[in-house]
Amino acid sequence: DQQVKQNSPSLSVQEGRISILNCDYTNSMFDYFLWYKKYPAEGPTFLISISSIKDKNEDGRFTVFLNKSAKHLSLHIVPSQPGDSAVYFCAAANSNSGYALNFGKGTSLLVTP
Amino acid sequence: KAGVTQTPRYLIKTRGQQVTLSCSPISGHRSVSWYQQTPGQGLQFLFEYFSETQRNKGNFPGRFSGRQFSNSRSEMNVSTLELGDSALYLCASSLNAGQWPQHFGDGTRLSIL
Repeated sequence: DQQVKQNSPSLSVQEGRISILNCDYTNSMFDYFLWYKKYPAEGPTFLISISSIKDKNEDGRFTVFLNKSAKHLSLHIVPSQPGDSAVYFCAAANSNSGYALNFGKGTSLLVTP
Repeated sequence: KAGVTQTPRYLIKTRGQQVTLSCSPISGHRSVSWYQQTPGQGLQFLFEYFSETQRNKGNFPGRFSGRQFSNSRSEMNVSTLELGDSALYLCASSLNAGQWPQHFGDGTRLSIL
């Protein structure tokens, strides 16, 4: 069963605006969350992560928000740039039962000029 | 600094054959994990190796196996190939066992005819 869900397969945003990518999870034991970006023909590239003891983590244009009660996290990209166009994967892990990443199926982001 | 290197990049096999894929982690990284990516199931965890020992295994049949060498390089083997094994196989490395983030290679695209 899919424990990490990205319900929007695609998202289109204008350059300079905010991109918001969403992710929901079902396993309350997950305590670490990551976002990866993937270009065609390349492996996923790590973007940003957050531990369950925090509710926000920021790195430049990228901010991840975690709402544990809702089992929801989101990635905000501000401002969006055409080079951000890629597939974004949300991943979650439980440090108490191995460190395997559980991935969502990805959201394809298109940033238009 | 060289990233995770996977060889070969592309592979075509027929049903019933076996295949071995190779992964060289980032220099100094001692933990290697393998993932399978398919359009239907997304990215799924196969197994994780550290110090030549399998630490964690995903929900895959015994036809999928792996190993890690003393230099941290890893191989995965799939025996008696089935059409459903067609996928992108991704290797990821991290500094030590149970550490995030994991850094991914560009994958091996395996096609079964």
